[in-house]
Amino acid sequence: SQTIHQWPATLVQPVGSPLSLECTVEGTSNPNLYWYRQAAGRGLQLLFYSVGIGQISSEVPQNLSASRPQDRQFILSSKKLLLSDSGFYLCAWRTDSNNEQFFGPGTRLTVL
Amino acid sequence: SQQGEEDPQALSIQEGENATMNCSYKTSINNLQWYRQNSGRGLVHLILIRSNEREKHSGRLRVTLDTSKKSSSLLITASRAADTASYFCATPYAGNNRKLIWGLGTSLAVNP
Repeated sequence: SQTIHQWPATLVQPVGSPLSLECTVEGTSNPNLYWYRQAAGRGLQLLFYSVGIGQISSEVPQNLSASRPQDRQFILSSKKLLLSDSGFYLCAWRTDSNNEQFFGPGTRLTVL
Repeated sequence: SQQGEEDPQALSIQEGENATMNCSYKTSINNLQWYRQNSGRGLVHLILIRSNEREKHSGRLRVTLDTSKKSSSLLITASRAADTASYFCATPYAGNNRKLIWGLGTSLAVNP
């Protein structure tokens, strides 16, 4: 069966520090991968999505970047965090033949 | 904006009562999905209804879709305290069904 891993679960980082959040998927190949951010009490904002290795679509201009070095690995990064980068980050995947998305457990990022 | 909207934003009911949440969207769609999110967790896919369907059931869930009004409703019957969560609707972007447009969600509290 397919599983999605996302870590860490929580992270507290100072302003100006770098960020690396990792997401990996097991049990499927060539998934579409997604990074979302969710502000408190709000809906999901799509940050990046990827349809294959090295293929990244950026949805909003921001302080973050994404990479897909392997088929089932999706990384969210920042060189210098801002206070406004705080939020709940969710990774998700889907197959090209199916419409539903499957989510990881999320990472709560607090930038101080 | 293509963003969907749910109403009500928050709903509080007693165990055993039915809960109805509504979702409106702006563009033509080929499907609409409902997801559930427990506090601080990832989202879980509940049900998908296609544009040629008017109603769909899954256990205690009933989803309706009215494409002429661009709206959908999610009914949870005989609610339980464990149904307490946020519920989101999502529709594919016009022209790119790899991406979903998310509503802001309805926060449901079921009181024992």
